[in-house]
Amino acid sequence: DAGVIQSPRHEVTEMGQEVTLRCKPISGHDYLFWYRQTMMRGLELLIYFNNNVPIDDSGMPEDRFSAKMPNASFSTLKIQPSEPRDSAVYFCASSLTVGGVGAEAFFGQGTRLTVV
Amino acid sequence: AQSVAQPEDQVNVAEGNPLTVKCTYSVSGNPYLFWYVQYPNRGLQFLLKYITGDNLVKGSYGFEAEFNKSQTSFHLKKPSALVSDSALYFCAVRDRGRDDKIIFGKGTRLHILP
Repeated sequence: DAGVIQSPRHEVTEMGQEVTLRCKPISGHDYLFWYRQTMMRGLELLIYFNNNVPIDDSGMPEDRFSAKMPNASFSTLKIQPSEPRDSAVYFCASSLTVGGVGAEAFFGQGTRLTVV
Repeated sequence: AQSVAQPEDQVNVAEGNPLTVKCTYSVSGNPYLFWYVQYPNRGLQFLLKYITGDNLVKGSYGFEAEFNKSQTSFHLKKPSALVSDSALYFCAVRDRGRDDKIIFGKGTRLHILP
């Protein structure tokens, strides 16, 4: 398996524009997580899905952020409108939980977002 | 709600010396515990995990960690540090049988001095 695949790797956009980040989890994994990493706040959990259903979105900072998982092999994180303070590295991760085996999450390479 | 504390922002160790990176956690139920490493401009790489059983778990690159339930700690250790171990290390916890989210500590930057 190629691992968790995120696109784009880098995104530079102007304030006010819509940004869409994409993630393909590892095939067969039933959990998908979106994290944001900044120097100030570290690695924050934004939202996570189980079997394509959003379970907890309490980490989503504002209504400008939304996430979807239309099927088991694809998820998006959208920011509309984007602001300079959204600049960060966004990670997608997936995991498989079967009776306690394989409970770790596997991370993609991340999307570095810069909003100017 | 679960949480993870990594009390040291940075740890400096001379090459060849043993290293310890500290982690304490808080969960309502029983924890799954993990350590990850991040190199510059890369994603997080899984190092090791504690699920159940032996409190001392061994992982990649010679790292190990000890689960201590009474102290709610899961410190990362290595007997002899290498310069190539210099990176950012994250501890994480997953609350078994609860909401299953994975929460990370703020990270500890490890510097191995030649």
